[in-house]
Amino acid sequence: SSELTQDPAVSVALGQTVRITCQGDSLRSYYASWYQQKPGQAPVLVIYGKNNRPSGIPDRFSGSSSGNTASLTITGAQAEDEADYYCNSRDSSGNQVFGGGTKLTVL
Amino acid sequence: QVQLQESGPGLVKPSQTLSLTCTVSGGSISSGGYYWSWIRQHPGKGLEWIGYIYYSGSTYYNPSLKSRVTISVDTSKNQFSLKLSSVTAADTAVYYCARVDSSGWRDWYFDLWGRGTLVTVSS
Repeated sequence: SSELTQDPAVSVALGQTVRITCQGDSLRSYYASWYQQKPGQAPVLVIYGKNNRPSGIPDRFSGSSSGNTASLTITGAQAEDEADYYCNSRDSSGNQVFGGGTKLTVL
Repeated sequence: QVQLQESGPGLVKPSQTLSLTCTVSGGSISSGGYYWSWIRQHPGKGLEWIGYIYYSGSTYYNPSLKSRVTISVDTSKNQFSLKLSSVTAADTAVYYCARVDSSGWRDWYFDLWGRGTLVTVSS
């Protein structure tokens, strides 16, 4: 079955730029989507498709992809961006897979 | 706007069947272009996709759970449901229902989520 690999933890200084990556074979064919989850809350979609943000998501969030790697970039990280971030994609069988998650700390 | 709400028992005994329902409000579950999904999250762990269903009844299941999972849809009630059989303590988790936008073949994404419900498996 498909797998998506993320770094367990990443930190960024307040106001700086951080990139969170996700690797997996399915990403060669399918776009990743990205979810932000804060403690005790449901995940929230922040990036989908080539580089699309749902309504209400700040434009400091952006997405990109190359080969088997997808990236979520936060340009000018804010304290409220501290959260867990999960990538996700479908595979050729129509199944879904989530990455293991990256805990983002804003210093 | 469309909202999803999970409901069901918060405590299930080992070997029994876990049953949850997700009620969709503010929109029709029969709208094309969406799958309706269940995801779970073990305490302190990551997200695990369980499966999803189209309003027509077409389903996809996580291969690791397929033998124990059934997802069904009731369009008349605007609900879809999860049944997970032969549960053990390892099935203790927060269970989320979510809508999956499947209108593009390269990107299916979970655009709406319920708040989640904790199900504990214990005698």
